[in-house]
Amino acid sequence: KNQVEQSPQSLIILEGKNCTLQCNYTVSPFSNLRWYKQDTGRGPVSLTIMTFSENTKSNGRYTATLDADTKQSSLHITASQLSDSASYICVVSAAPPNSGYSTLTFGKGTMLLVSP
Amino acid sequence: NAGVTQTPKFQVLKTGQSMTLQCAQDMNHNSMYWYRQDPGMGLRLIYYSASEGTTDKGEVPNGYNVSRLNKREFSLRLESAAPSQTSVYFCASSERFQSGLKAREQYFGPGTRLTVT
Repeated sequence: KNQVEQSPQSLIILEGKNCTLQCNYTVSPFSNLRWYKQDTGRGPVSLTIMTFSENTKSNGRYTATLDADTKQSSLHITASQLSDSASYICVVSAAPPNSGYSTLTFGKGTMLLVSP
Repeated sequence: NAGVTQTPKFQVLKTGQSMTLQCAQDMNHNSMYWYRQDPGMGLRLIYYSASEGTTDKGEVPNGYNVSRLNKREFSLRLESAAPSQTSVYFCASSERFQSGLKAREQYFGPGTRLTVT
C-alpha cells in the first residue's frame, strides 16, 4: 500500500529561525513529489513539485529536496515569518505506465507554528 | 480568475438527509477531484473525473455520488448522510494527466465543512 509519513507532527519555532520538515514515502511507481501549504480553514496551495530527476527545488524561502534512492524528501524554510504558520503536506504521485492517470497519496502534514 | 470555487462553505445535516456540494473551476481544466480531509488523516480521494463525461471512484467512494455536469462543474452528492461523513470536503482541478509529460498541478478550492448530527 502506498504510504507517506511526515515528521515531526508539529513544530514551534521563533520568527526568523529556519526549520526543516521531513517526508518518507513508499509509493510505486513514483511519478513526482509535491509539497503543499495549507492555512487553517483554507485549501492546500502548491509550493513545489519535483520529478524523479530533480533533487532540489526552491520557491522563495522554501527549498525542497528529494532523494529518490532513499525515498525521502525535506522542506526547508528559511528566515521564518509569522505567515508561515500552517500545515505543510507532502504528497507523492504514482503513475502506472501507460495508464493515462496518476494517483496522489497525501501525508498527514506537519503543523508549523511560528511564534513572535 | 476565481480558480476553484465551492458552495456552500458550511453545512449541518441530520442523519439521513441528502445534499449536493457544488464545485466549479474557471481554468479550463480537464480533470476534477473530490477529497475529504479528516483530523489526523491525509486527504483522501472520493471520486475524480479525468475529463468531461467520465467519472471514477477513488479511495473512499462509498456513500457518495458525483456528476460532471460540464467541463467547469463537478458536484458531489450525499444521498443519505451519516455521522461518519462529517468532514471537510475539497474540490480540486488540474490539466489532464498525460504519462511522460510535466506533472500536472492540482488547484484546490476553499473547502466545505460538513457536520452530520
